[in-house]
Formats: sequence, structure tokens, C-alpha cells
Amino acid sequence: EVQLVESGGGLVKPGGSLRLSCAASGFSFSSYTMQWVRQAPGKGLEWVSSISSTSSYIYYTDSGKGRFTISRDNAKNSLYLQMNSLRAEDTAVYFCARLFEYYKTMDVWGQGTTVTVSS
Amino acid sequence: EIVLTQSPGTLSLSPGESATLSCRASESISSTYLAWYQQKPGQPPRLLIFGASTRATGIPDRFSGSGSGTDFTLTISRLEPGDFAVYYCQQYGSSPLYTFGQGTRLEIK
Repeated sequence: EVQLVESGGGLVKPGGSLRLSCAASGFSFSSYTMQWVRQAPGKGLEWVSSISSTSSYIYYTDSGKGRFTISRDNAKNSLYLQMNSLRAEDTAVYFCARLFEYYKTMDVWGQGTTVTVSS
Repeated sequence: EIVLTQSPGTLSLSPGESATLSCRASESISSTYLAWYQQKPGQPPRLLIFGASTRATGIPDRFSGSGSGTDFTLTISRLEPGDFAVYYCQQYGSSPLYTFGQGTRLEIK
């Protein structure tokens, strides 16, 4: 079964850091570009970051540049998002998602992990 | 930045009816890179349509996508109770790389 499982969310104070993880199984993880997408409480979806299969191409939304770092370990079938200098507006459920490359579409999603930034 | 505007914000219909959801882009986009997702409360989004009109695996043919340029439509025929959810369109572009519409909530009338 193709599966993505996120972990690492929690409550953190403004200015703090958090590292999210996403464990992949059931498919050839090393062949896929992976994404992080977030959803603030009661709001819509917002793309956060993307990393190509070999980590050669990495992209961030403007709000994440300089604060977030996406990475992956293909040997461990794992995706990561290091988040620093967290702000209240980063509060959201963070989903990892697999990219259906040709159509630039996210075809497999994890259940999400919740990040709450509050003092 | 390409903005996707979905309408209506909320659509109230009864089971058995048909739903028409709109996604309008602020500038022309490639239909190859237009997708639709369904999200139910407490769940991640589920891919319904990619390439503007191709159903994802396991999606019933009651769901259909169409459109090109700046105007795209998701049509759901013969609504079933499980179809009531929030629907998002998404496109791939330049900066930001991926954008989503604000969503259409399909609710039971």
C-alpha cells in the first residue's frame, strides 16, 4: 500500500524551531519529487516547499525562504522539513505529498501533522 | 503570481442533483497542470482530476473536469452523500510553484 506518514508536529513558541518528518512506503520513494503543503485552521491549502528526487531542485514559498529547509534521505525513504524562526501564521496542519511529475499534481498525501506556534 | 478563484464559495444541493464548480485563473494556464481535489473534514485532500479532465484512479465517472485557458469546471453528477466536501483546484506555475484556489464547499441542502 502506498503510504505517507508525517510526524514531528507540536506546540512551539514564536521564534522556535521544529523538524517535521514524512515516512514513505509502498512505492519507489527515490524516484519522486516530494512536497510539503500546509493548511491553517479553517483555511485552504498552501504549497510550502518542493524537493526533486535527487535533491537537485528545491523550491520554497516566499514566506518560507530563509526559515524553512526541505531535505530527504532516499536510503531511509524519508522527507523532512526543518522550520526555524516560527511565527503564529505558520500554525497549520502540514501534509507531505507525492508529485505526479508529468502533470505536476499531488497524487498521494499523508494524513498530516499539526504545528501550533503560540506563546 | 497566478491566482485561482473558485466559485461559488458554497454550493447547497440535494443528493441526486448535479454540481458545477468553477475555477478561474488570473491568466491563461496549461490545462496539463490543472487539478481538482476533494477534502473531507479531518482528512487530507484526495486527487480527483488531473490534466484538467482525466480522472484519477478509483474516481467514479460521475466526476468530470473540463476547461482550458483561464476557465475550468468540475462537474459532479448524481450527487451522493459522500460527495459533500470542500473542493480545490490547483495549478502549477512559476512563483509560487503551485497555487490552490480558495475552495468551494459543497453542502447538503
